[in-house]
Amino acid sequence: EADIYQTPRYLVIGTGKKITLECSQTMGHDKMYWYQQDPGMELHLIHYSYGVNSTEKGDLSSESTVSRIRTEHFPLTLESARPSHTSQYLCASRGQGYEQYFGPGTRLTVT
Amino acid sequence: DAKTTQPPSMDCAEGRAANLPCNHSTISGNEYVYWYRQIHSQGPQYIIHGLKNNETNEMASLIITEDRKSSTLILPHATLRDTAVYYCIVGSTGANSKLTFGKGITLSVRP
Repeated sequence: EADIYQTPRYLVIGTGKKITLECSQTMGHDKMYWYQQDPGMELHLIHYSYGVNSTEKGDLSSESTVSRIRTEHFPLTLESARPSHTSQYLCASRGQGYEQYFGPGTRLTVT
Repeated sequence: DAKTTQPPSMDCAEGRAANLPCNHSTISGNEYVYWYRQIHSQGPQYIIHGLKNNETNEMASLIITEDRKSSTLILPHATLRDTAVYYCIVGSTGANSKLTFGKGITLSVRP
């Protein structure tokens, strides 16, 4: 079983608030990813990292930012949340093998 | 990365084999075929991958045609818990490779 965690699992927050979605893994994986998924729609890669101090933007433009100061943590931040940010955010990691391990996701609702 | 084409949905009876097709006619020589599934908006779960030989694990079998332009994921004895969206993805295995999820195919297993 993969050890990748996301908190919070659910978040309802007002417009304009700053939020940070946490993602951590205990497998020592170098590569980590953030995906955004609207209900019933496909996953879109919004950020990824190949290791400490490495961050890249994904295929879908996002107003969020990420950081990778430690191998095990890859938090995602929204400086000013808006209703258009309402979505599910999924974190994943990958080691030397072929498999990406996904966390349970954070369902974000901005009112 | 090469793109894949999957039917939007299919169903099968519980206990029967589920054969999920995928077309990837533009696959290049170093690209693998990966299958993931997502149960009710949970984080996607890796199922299996292959390059050109057929592969089998405890979850499923992957049959890749000789020209590698299409493949079939086989769940030998589908259960109700196999109801999910199944994603066929083509990509390389390089250290900096990324997965691009499409719409997938929704498999409904009926009692």
